[in-house]
Amino acid sequence: DQQVKQNSPSLSVQEGRISILNCDYTNSMFDYFLWYKKYPAEGPTFLISISSIKDKNEDGRFTVFLNKSAKHLSLHIVPSQPGDSAVYFCAASANDYKLSFGAGTTVTVRA
Amino acid sequence: NAGVTQTPKFRVLKTGQSMTLLCAQDMNHEYMYWYRQDPGMGLRLIHYSVGEGTTAKGEVPDGYNVSRLKKQNFLLGLESAAPSQTSVYFCASSYGGTLFNYGYTFGSGTRLTVV
Repeated sequence: DQQVKQNSPSLSVQEGRISILNCDYTNSMFDYFLWYKKYPAEGPTFLISISSIKDKNEDGRFTVFLNKSAKHLSLHIVPSQPGDSAVYFCAASANDYKLSFGAGTTVTVRA
Repeated sequence: NAGVTQTPKFRVLKTGQSMTLLCAQDMNHEYMYWYRQDPGMGLRLIHYSVGEGTTAKGEVPDGYNVSRLKKQNFLLGLESAAPSQTSVYFCASSYGGTLFNYGYTFGSGTRLTVV
């Protein structure tokens, strides 16, 4: 039973536009959320995170929004660039250092 | 600065064979983890360790064993490989406490095929 769900397997966006990736979770004990980016034949790399005490965290072109009441978070990438084409994983932790991951969303940025 | 190194990168096993995947980290991280990635399933935790000499089961531990004899190494063993263990295996490590906010550092993965 997946506790972290990414319901959109893929997303295609034009270069320069906004990419919005969504993630839902079921475990109300999750208190820390992370996004990872993965290129083919490489391991996932940490992108951005947010604590449950916040509703927004921004780092350059990347912003993560958290809606605790809806158990939903989203990652916004503005503007999207060709190098952003990758698989993005949403992950969550319940203060025990173990991360539960979603199935991933493949982002393709079109020129 | 190597980070997390996994060996081997690729392996083909016959059903019933055994093998050990090695993970080494040079960041002095306390915590280490083994995940498997399968299509449509994301990454699932197999086993993890919260320090040298400790191991614990994750979400999908059956068919695997682990050992953490040294802080920098975390070994994943398959005693009798099965086709269902065909997957990409990722090792990761992290700090604990408030430094966990930096998340995991992953290795580049081991692609294992069991025929």
